[in-house]
Amino acid sequence: NAGVTQTPKFQVLKTGQSMTLQCAQDMNHNSMYWYRQDPGMGLRLIYYSASEGTTDKGEVPNGYNVSRLNKREFSLRLESAAPSQTSVYFCASSDRGGYNSPLHFGNGTRLTVT
Amino acid sequence: GENVEQHPSTLSVQEGDSAVIKCTYSDSASNYFPWYKQELGKGPQLIIDIRSNVGEKKDQRIAVTLNKTAKHFSLHITETQPEDSAVYFCAPLITGGGNKLTFGTGTQLKVEL
Repeated sequence: NAGVTQTPKFQVLKTGQSMTLQCAQDMNHNSMYWYRQDPGMGLRLIYYSASEGTTDKGEVPNGYNVSRLNKREFSLRLESAAPSQTSVYFCASSDRGGYNSPLHFGNGTRLTVT
Repeated sequence: GENVEQHPSTLSVQEGDSAVIKCTYSDSASNYFPWYKQELGKGPQLIIDIRSNVGEKKDQRIAVTLNKTAKHFSLHITETQPEDSAVYFCAPLITGGGNKLTFGTGTQLKVEL
């Protein structure tokens, strides 16, 4: 099993460009999440999907949109990239809805916005 | 908002020594306390977790202790090895504003030969 797969691994965008980060999990998990990681700030939740068909805002949702395409896939879209969105983005999944079950993370997408 | 503080931010130990990382939280209703390890270029990985009905849990060289009264929990690594070098995050479940894991700012552990 691959676990949680994120694409692309690296991306450079110019300010104002758009892009979609892809995430897929093969563990039949119900819940999926998008986090961003910035130096000295830990991981902050952008959006999550407790189950197929639902999405909710996390701590830092501004400038992002998400789509839970099916049970396996959860994408994150930046409509108009800004330098403040330069970060490492992690997708995660968990078996049960809610947060008191282990999160399984992908290896991240490193995004630079110039 | 709910605060999660993690100390120290960096920790250097000699191989074979023990390492302790402490996480302090403010939500008295928290009931789930995991620790994640992040190696360079990878996503975080759960290494141990504890729920509020127990005070300590051990898995080989790794243990977590919980003090609910004082609202802190700690990661203990014994007989450290070079492969323990990584960034460690606590992520207590915070119930305020909707149950969610709130990650600490991380501890860079370096195990020196």
